[in-house]
Amino acid sequence: QSVLTQPPSVSAAPGQKVTISCSGSNSNIGNNYVSWYQHLPGTAPKLLIYDNNKRPSGIPDRFSGSKSGTSGTLGITGLQTGDEADYYCGTWDSRLSVVVFGGGTKLTVL
Amino acid sequence: EVQLVESGGGLVKPGGSLRLSCAASAFSFTTYSMNWVRQAPGKGLEWVSSISSTSNYIYYADSVKGRFTISRDNAKNSLYLQMNSLRAEDTAVYYCARGFGANCGSVFDNWGQGTLVIVSS
Repeated sequence: QSVLTQPPSVSAAPGQKVTISCSGSNSNIGNNYVSWYQHLPGTAPKLLIYDNNKRPSGIPDRFSGSKSGTSGTLGITGLQTGDEADYYCGTWDSRLSVVVFGGGTKLTVL
Repeated sequence: EVQLVESGGGLVKPGGSLRLSCAASAFSFTTYSMNWVRQAPGKGLEWVSSISSTSNYIYYADSVKGRFTISRDNAKNSLYLQMNSLRAEDTAVYYCARGFGANCGSVFDNWGQGTLVIVSS
């Protein structure tokens, strides 16, 4: 069972928007930055968002992040079939002194 | 382009040992923290261990504490994971990841392709 809670799956049609939530606690999301990763099985995970809402170079602005209290949210607009992947949130847990990931959310673009 | 190449995975019996390596190139290895993250079959990403740029700070997941040892050789641009007393539940693809930011670099901005470790009799 993951420290951070994500929905197991989300789906939407091409061109639509989807959001993925990540719920934690004061010891992790509440007092630290949230990152988001995209992972296609068999490939290297990719950093999409860091420090709650910053995008690394090369990540399109279709991807956005936000944080409120002890929850983070990843937003993806203009969905493409190539966005089908597993998405993970991650952060530092100050009480445990460990990095924690969410359980992952499988995105299906119908 | 940043490159991280893992090696050393394979099939090992329960109770056995294995040493993973990660060769880094195309960036200043000595200025970044480094990490190991794994993914068991059908499961999500699980952080394993982190080491700061000068090895002053080292952290482990509870699931591997006392059995795994992370280390680095900055002269060789290499990261290592010594895995002892391996269990079936350690079976996973192990990724090497570069870290930055606060808390021993808990943002992972570059990842390797992974190396598969199978623990089975």
